[in-house]
Amino acid sequence: GAVVSQHPSRVICKSGTSVKIECRSLDFQATTMFWYRQFPKQSLMLMATSNEGSKATYEQGVEKDKFLINHASLTLSTLTVTSAHPEDSSFYICSASDFGSSTDTQYFGPGTRLTVL
Amino acid sequence: AQSVTQPDIHITVSEGASLELRCNYSYGATPYLFWYVQSPGQGLQLLLKYFSGDTLVQGIKGFEAEFKRSQSSFNLRKPSVHWSDAAEYFCAVGAPGGYNKLIFGAGTRLAVHP
Repeated sequence: GAVVSQHPSRVICKSGTSVKIECRSLDFQATTMFWYRQFPKQSLMLMATSNEGSKATYEQGVEKDKFLINHASLTLSTLTVTSAHPEDSSFYICSASDFGSSTDTQYFGPGTRLTVL
Repeated sequence: AQSVTQPDIHITVSEGASLELRCNYSYGATPYLFWYVQSPGQGLQLLLKYFSGDTLVQGIKGFEAEFKRSQSSFNLRKPSVHWSDAAEYFCAVGAPGGYNKLIFGAGTRLAVHP
């Protein structure tokens, strides 16, 4: 149980284009999902917290207009990188939580490698 | 503010040897504590977690961790390391309750020699 998927696993795009990444909780309902960014050989940096049916809460320094987050259902959150530039190239990881259950734990997706040319 | 320190950036052990990865946290009360493992190019897998109760927590893959309040530590241990344990290990702390964010340590990269 507690499986989180991400799609795509890898994407290459041209500078200036937009890229959408999906995060799905496959076997549980996630009222809250989190989006992280990870640079090579570094830890995870929380970008935003996404609550179903409401606006995402962004961490300081994260541009909300560049990283659009939508959490339209209890099993799906999307991150859209708008007008991508090479500096946006990174590993993006989502997590979904089952807060409210007895486990209260975040489960992570496999990540999406974004390369912007 | 919450913070997590993993003092060892890189550790190398021989296969079959014991392992201890250190984690220290800073938090005003008893936090939720987690250990995650990440293989190259992959997401994070939960190894174990501590919320309350018994301070020695058993996890998957033969790992265990001990919460020591007096030392603000949550060290991860394994009695005998396997080559497949080579990966990046992250300690994380979260606030009890709903919608809590996790604060991650910098990670410890484990290499296993045959």
